[in-house]
Amino acid sequence: NAGVMQNPRHLVRRRGQEARLRCSPMKGHSHVYWYRQLPEEGLKFMVYLQKENIIDESGMPKERFSAEFPKEGPSILRIQQVVRGDSAAYFCASSPLAHTEAFFGQGTRLTVV
Amino acid sequence: AQTVTQSQPEMSVQEAETVTLSCTYDTSESDYYLFWYKQPPSRQMILVIRQEAYKQQNATENRFSVNFQKAAKSFSLKISDSQLGDAAMYFCAYRSADSGAGSYQLTFGKGTKLSVIP
Repeated sequence: NAGVMQNPRHLVRRRGQEARLRCSPMKGHSHVYWYRQLPEEGLKFMVYLQKENIIDESGMPKERFSAEFPKEGPSILRIQQVVRGDSAAYFCASSPLAHTEAFFGQGTRLTVV
Repeated sequence: AQTVTQSQPEMSVQEAETVTLSCTYDTSESDYYLFWYKQPPSRQMILVIRQEAYKQQNATENRFSVNFQKAAKSFSLKISDSQLGDAAMYFCAYRSADSGAGSYQLTFGKGTKLSVIP
């Protein structure tokens, strides 16, 4: 059973471009969580999704950030018009049920130049 | 809101020795979970150990054990017989056990960087 797969591992974008981060949850997991890790910081919750639904996006910046988890395919975290402050590691985690232990992917390191 | 504090940005330990990493947290809830995660240079977040707040017995996993002091809101991690592979960032995390909104969120501390000296 493969773990949580995130791609790409590294992503470089110029200011103003769009960044798309992908997350394939573990097999059988329908709950996905995105976290952001800024330099020298712990992970901070961004958004919680179930298939086709956003359950909680209280940690998402109000502008430029969006997330989806379609019926088929991976979950996508999309950042439009990236700025230098978006440079961070973005982690995805998945769980089989709500309120159960989540397993993390290896993260995507986004660098905005 | 819950907060998690790790007051030691960096620690070092001699190989085969024992080291303790500190973590304190603030919550008004009575039932919750506490975790220690290891993040090696590969960046993978690896669950080291977890503790349910309603359990008085401290959790252990091989060389890893915790000292959970609920009244003091303290949750330290002890690593015995340290190995070179233990070198990593260690994060303490909190999660509510309430089945309501927010209980799926992990709240992390800022981490402690552990170096192991050969």
